[in-house]
Amino acid sequence: GAGVSQSPSNKVTEKGKDVELRCDPISGHTALYWYRQRLGQGLEFLIYFQGNSAPDKSGLPSDRFSAERTGESVSTLTIQRTQQEDSAVYLCASSLGAGVSYNEQFFGPGTRLTVL
Amino acid sequence: AQTVTQSQPEMSVQEAETVTLSCTYDTSESDYYLFWYKQPPSRQMILVIRQEAYKQQNATENRFSVNFQKAAKSFSLKISDSQLGDAAMYFCAYRRRMNRDDKIIFGKGTRLHILP
Repeated sequence: GAGVSQSPSNKVTEKGKDVELRCDPISGHTALYWYRQRLGQGLEFLIYFQGNSAPDKSGLPSDRFSAERTGESVSTLTIQRTQQEDSAVYLCASSLGAGVSYNEQFFGPGTRLTVL
Repeated sequence: AQTVTQSQPEMSVQEAETVTLSCTYDTSESDYYLFWYKQPPSRQMILVIRQEAYKQQNATENRFSVNFQKAAKSFSLKISDSQLGDAAMYFCAYRRRMNRDDKIIFGKGTRLHILP
């Protein structure tokens, strides 16, 4: 089936504006993750969903960042009052989230956010 | 807290030659996974190879193999018979095993250039 999809692919916004980034996980995957990748850096974990609850929000950098998930499907990452340091690629991943063995995380292509 | 360190920001190798990418990590856990991910310019994260910490045997996937030294907390990736398509960013990564859906912790990456 289709992989993880994210939209938009690229987003340019002005400092102080709010943005919403969308992630569509693989069908049937109950676990969903958001990561941030700053230029020249590795991925930083932001938040993890199991179904529509978020047992781990430890990576959200400030209260300007929030995320929600509808059932076991689409997730939206919202950044309020964007700052230039929020410029990064935001990657979403999903995994089966069931069973007792290892569940591979499958990544989307990311959204490149540029804050002017 | 767990950390992953990649000390080589960039490396180059001649096509058809062998190259080794280095990675060290720090954790107090005894049971975990280690990964190497490839990220081409498309931004898509691709899982190259996975190693379970409880397994002494080094993982291999075709031209890719690892040297896992648990006591030294070292996890290097060897790419044999390098091909032009291997050019990408490579990330070493760690995940605890106790939770099947835990977050992944990434190093900062090594950019690999393949010289024709």
